[in-house]
Amino acid sequence: AAGVIQSPRHLIKEKRETATLKCYPIPRHDTVYWYQQGPGQDPQFLISFYEKMQSDKGSIPDRFSAQQFSDYHSELNMSSLELGDSALYFCASSFRKGGQIYEQYFGPGTRLTVT
Amino acid sequence: GNSVTQMEGPVTLSEEAFLTINCTYTATGYPSLFWYVQYPGEGLQLLLKATKADDKGSNKGFEATYRKETTSFHLEKGSVQVSDSAVYFCALSTGSGNTGKLIFGQGTTLQVKP
Repeated sequence: AAGVIQSPRHLIKEKRETATLKCYPIPRHDTVYWYQQGPGQDPQFLISFYEKMQSDKGSIPDRFSAQQFSDYHSELNMSSLELGDSALYFCASSFRKGGQIYEQYFGPGTRLTVT
Repeated sequence: GNSVTQMEGPVTLSEEAFLTINCTYTATGYPSLFWYVQYPGEGLQLLLKATKADDKGSNKGFEATYRKETTSFHLEKGSVQVSDSAVYFCALSTGSGNTGKLIFGQGTTLQVKP
């Protein structure tokens, strides 16, 4: 079965640079979530989109922005990178039906290292 | 606010031992509860879920029962294998006004020795 695809899988950037992470949800899934997992920590919710509109916002820095496109893929844009942004970034997708939100399926993650 | 608390790890067991990983939650409304597993270097995989009180989620020999009276969702397995070694995350998704975002516990590392 098709899974959530994230690219790139690994990314190395220097401080103050920008990075773009991409997420391709499972076909027919209409909702995308972004999470950040620091070393040895639990995933923290950043932002989510439903039908191309932002549906919820968590602890996402102002330096980050995201959007969901007409084909439902999503991009997380990160600017003025800091050492503390080094983490594993997960994308997850799900779908809604009859007002119910079904479980999230996670991609393999993008490991961002800021030097 | 909403939160999830898991027992601290690492939990080290011998193969075929009984496993319990405790998870308690604080939430408004009626959350859905999940266990996710993360193998080394990999993403999060949904292990099991329960959406209402007294529901039992089960998968691959793992079980967890949604206990509203004790606000708990403890993970159990009768006989662990070396291949079960991973980090286990308990998570909730809130009910009313639910946008689906997950709130995770801090994770519990399980090490199973042959």
